[in-house]
Amino acid sequence: AQSVTQLDSQVPVFEEAPVELRCNYSSSVSVYLFWYVQYPNQGLQLLLKYLSGSTLVKGINGFEAEFNKSQTSFHLRKPSVHISDTAEYFCAVSVRGGNKLVFGAGTILRVKS
Amino acid sequence: GAGVSQSPSNKVTEKGKDVELRCDPISGHTALYWYRQRLGQGLEFLIYFQGNSAPDKSGLPSDRFSAERTGESVSTLTIQRTQQEDSAVYLCASSLGPPGYSSGANVLTFGAGSRLTVL
Repeated sequence: AQSVTQLDSQVPVFEEAPVELRCNYSSSVSVYLFWYVQYPNQGLQLLLKYLSGSTLVKGINGFEAEFNKSQTSFHLRKPSVHISDTAEYFCAVSVRGGNKLVFGAGTILRVKS
Repeated sequence: GAGVSQSPSNKVTEKGKDVELRCDPISGHTALYWYRQRLGQGLEFLIYFQGNSAPDKSGLPSDRFSAERTGESVSTLTIQRTQQEDSAVYLCASSLGPPGYSSGANVLTFGAGSRLTVL
């Protein structure tokens, strides 16, 4: 079965600094990878996804993630964060052809001024 | 509808009572999911519906939990004889197709959740 590990439960960062939120997955078969974001008092929404092709995926709000098959990672990055990026970020994986989306425990990004 | 609607948004109940949580998915979305999010934890998969059938109910934690879907639309998650450990936010999501399918149809749209507190 597939699983997801988000290595950091909280990441504090100053405004305009770069940030990387780490995600590693485990699966014996090919996967699709997703990042979802949950802003305070809102539902989860899709940030970006990797299905195939280019390993660098760009999403909304200036975020991007890189799929690294050899390291089984899908880290999320942003070169310069804003206060409004404060939210909880969830990495998720689904096996190809599968029905289930498995989520990591989430990383709370706190952007400070 | 325009989004996934869940009700109630908040439910406080006494231990031992039964509760029903409702989900109205986006019209036309054949896939529907229930997840549980306990405080400080990630999303825990409960059950997946394709149409009105539930091919994967492997995440239901005990036989006190059940779910049904009718008319390829509304779904109800029922928790019988609630326990304090059932306290969590219950999230519903829908999509055109399952997340493991290689198309744009595999993106889940989530509702705002139903927060359940068992006293």
